[in-house]
Amino acid sequence: NAGVTQTPKFQVLKTGQSMTLQCAQDMNHEYMSWYRQDPGMGLRLIHYSVGAGITDQGEVPNGYNVSRSTTEDFPLRLLSAAPSQTSVYFCASRITSPGAYEQYFGPGTRLTVT
Amino acid sequence: SQQGEEDPQALSIQEGENATMNCSYKTSINNLQWYRQNSGRGLVHLILIRSNEREKHSGRLRVTLDTSKKSSSLLITASRAADTASYFCATALNMFSGGYNKLIFGAGTRLAVHP
Repeated sequence: NAGVTQTPKFQVLKTGQSMTLQCAQDMNHEYMSWYRQDPGMGLRLIHYSVGAGITDQGEVPNGYNVSRSTTEDFPLRLLSAAPSQTSVYFCASRITSPGAYEQYFGPGTRLTVT
Repeated sequence: SQQGEEDPQALSIQEGENATMNCSYKTSINNLQWYRQNSGRGLVHLILIRSNEREKHSGRLRVTLDTSKKSSSLLITASRAADTASYFCATALNMFSGGYNKLIFGAGTRLAVHP
């Protein structure tokens, strides 16, 4: 299994540009989530999904959109990038069985918005 | 605001010494987890302790949980240079404090183990 994969690894955007960060997992996990990691802030939850067609907001959802059309994929869209969105983005997944909370993380996407 | 806060923010020790990191949180939890992050990499799950447990061991790791104080500690015994990483606590909220689907992370402790 490849686990959780993310593309691209690095991206530079200009303010106002749009892009989609890709996330895929091959573990048949129902739960997927997106976090951003900023220096001194730890990881903050952006959006999450408990299954195909079901998404919800996390702590910092503004400026980001998500959709979940398949179990495997959970893309994160930036509609109009802002410098405040410069960060490292991590996708994670886990199963949703009771008591199963261990999350598996992707390698991250480092995004710079100029 | 962050649910979990780690203390200290940074820790520097020699190989063979023990490393202790602490985590405090604010609301009721279902469980608390510790993750490790090597520089430039994703997070890796280390250990999970449930709200009805007080102590848990895994290899050189020992985790304690005090729900009355809303705090946890991670002890790494006989540390090695390879333990150099950032360590994060993460709390899984229960259904009465924001939804059991959310895992909220603290800001982390940067551990440096010198040979």
